[in-house]
Amino acid sequence: DAKTTQPNSMESNEEEPVHLPCNHSTISGTDYIHWYRQLPSQGPEYVIHGLTSNVNNRMASLAIAEDRKSSTLILHRATLRDAAVYYCILPFSGGGADGLTFGKGTHLIIQP
Amino acid sequence: DAGVIQSPRHEVTEMGQEVTLRCKPISGHNSLFWYRQTMMRGLELLIYFNNNVPIDDSGMPEDRFSAKMPNASFSTLKIQPSEPRDSAVYFCASSPDGQEGQPQHFGDGTRLSIL
Repeated sequence: DAKTTQPNSMESNEEEPVHLPCNHSTISGTDYIHWYRQLPSQGPEYVIHGLTSNVNNRMASLAIAEDRKSSTLILHRATLRDAAVYYCILPFSGGGADGLTFGKGTHLIIQP
Repeated sequence: DAGVIQSPRHEVTEMGQEVTLRCKPISGHNSLFWYRQTMMRGLELLIYFNNNVPIDDSGMPEDRFSAKMPNASFSTLKIQPSEPRDSAVYFCASSPDGQEGQPQHFGDGTRLSIL
C-alpha cells in the first residue's frame, strides 16, 4: 500500500464540522483512497472511499485534491459518537481483494 | 443482513494451550482476512483468503499460527502452542471479490489473553 500521513490527533466540538487531512504524495493513478474508523472496543468500520472525484455518503464526505496527493474526510456535524481513530488507507488493489495496511491514524476527540 | 461473526468474543487461556478463533464471513463475500491488533504494533494483516484459498500468509508471525477456510462460510485461526505475547484482539473481515474499491467489513473481534 502507498504510504499515507495523518496527524496523530485532532480535537473538535460537538455539532461542528470536522476536517481530517491525509497526505499521500506517492499515490498512483489507480490507487483508491479509503477511510475507515475504529470506535473504542470495536472493529474497524468502513467510512467512505473515492478515486478522483469528491464523494458523499450518509456518514461523511471525501474531498480529493486535484493532484490526488492529499484528501480530506469531512464530518459535517460531529457528535460524541464520532470520537474514534480514523485511518486513511490506499489499498494496493483497490480495497477488496488485498489486505489493508493500517497506519496509526488520527485520534479524533469530540468535546461536548 | 448479518455482518461478520466472530467467536468467541473473549478467550482467556494458559500458555501452551491450543487456541482456535472462528469467523463466519458475510454471505456472498469471496475474500476473508485475519488481522491482529496490539498496542505496540497496531492493526496488522495476518493472512487472507480468496475463494477459500490462502493468497498471502506473509503476516503470520510464526509456525505456531495456522489458518484454514474449509468452505465459503467458515474460517479458523489456530495458535498452538499459545504464548503470552499472542495476547491481542484478533479481527476477521470479509469483502466482495476483486471489485475495485470494495470495502472490507470487520467483525467485532476476539480479545485473546494468554496467561
